[in-house]
Amino acid sequence: KQEVTQIPAALSVPEGENLVLNCSFTDSAIYNLQWFRQDPGKGLTSLLLIQSSQREQTSGRLNASLDKSSGRSTLYIAASQPGDSATYLCAVASTGANSKLTFGKGITLSVRP
Amino acid sequence: EPEVTQTPSHQVTQMGQEVILRCVPISNHLYFYWYRQILGQKVEFLVSFYNNEISEKSEIFDDQFSVERPDGSNFTLKIRSTKLEDSAMYFCASKRADLNYGYTFGSGTRLTVV
Repeated sequence: KQEVTQIPAALSVPEGENLVLNCSFTDSAIYNLQWFRQDPGKGLTSLLLIQSSQREQTSGRLNASLDKSSGRSTLYIAASQPGDSATYLCAVASTGANSKLTFGKGITLSVRP
Repeated sequence: EPEVTQTPSHQVTQMGQEVILRCVPISNHLYFYWYRQILGQKVEFLVSFYNNEISEKSEIFDDQFSVERPDGSNFTLKIRSTKLEDSAMYFCASKRADLNYGYTFGSGTRLTVV
């Protein structure tokens, strides 16, 4: 059974800092991995999708990497801003590209002005 | 940008009552999902739906739950007799068949069972 872990549960950084959010998964046989952002009491906004054959994806100040063999993904946020404050969720699709997602519990990021 | 729309945004119901949560997936998507998130916990998979039938369901999705796509645009989740522990945020998601596209989630329905 796939398990997804995100540590630490919370992170507080000063504005402008570059930061890395970690995600690990127990079964390396994944089809894809997706990073989401969740604001308090709101829905999930997709940030980046990485296919199992890819090593990284970039969108603006965000860069996500994937190392299937070690069961790890990282989300790199450059030049963090207070508006980046949110919970960041990692989710993997294990049994097919259109299969269910298994989520981590998320990392709650606070960027201090 | 196309969105997955969920209604209502918040529903309060008495224990034992039936509720129907509604979702309008993105029109050219073929795969549909329901997830839930109990406060402070992980987002959990409930059920996936493709080609007018359930393709996978979790152990949470017992006989009290059902899904339907009644008219080609709406996708509903029904809970027949709600329990206190059904209180959660329920998310609908949809997906294209194209492998290069990920899941699009709705903004959720917060269900409170009292």
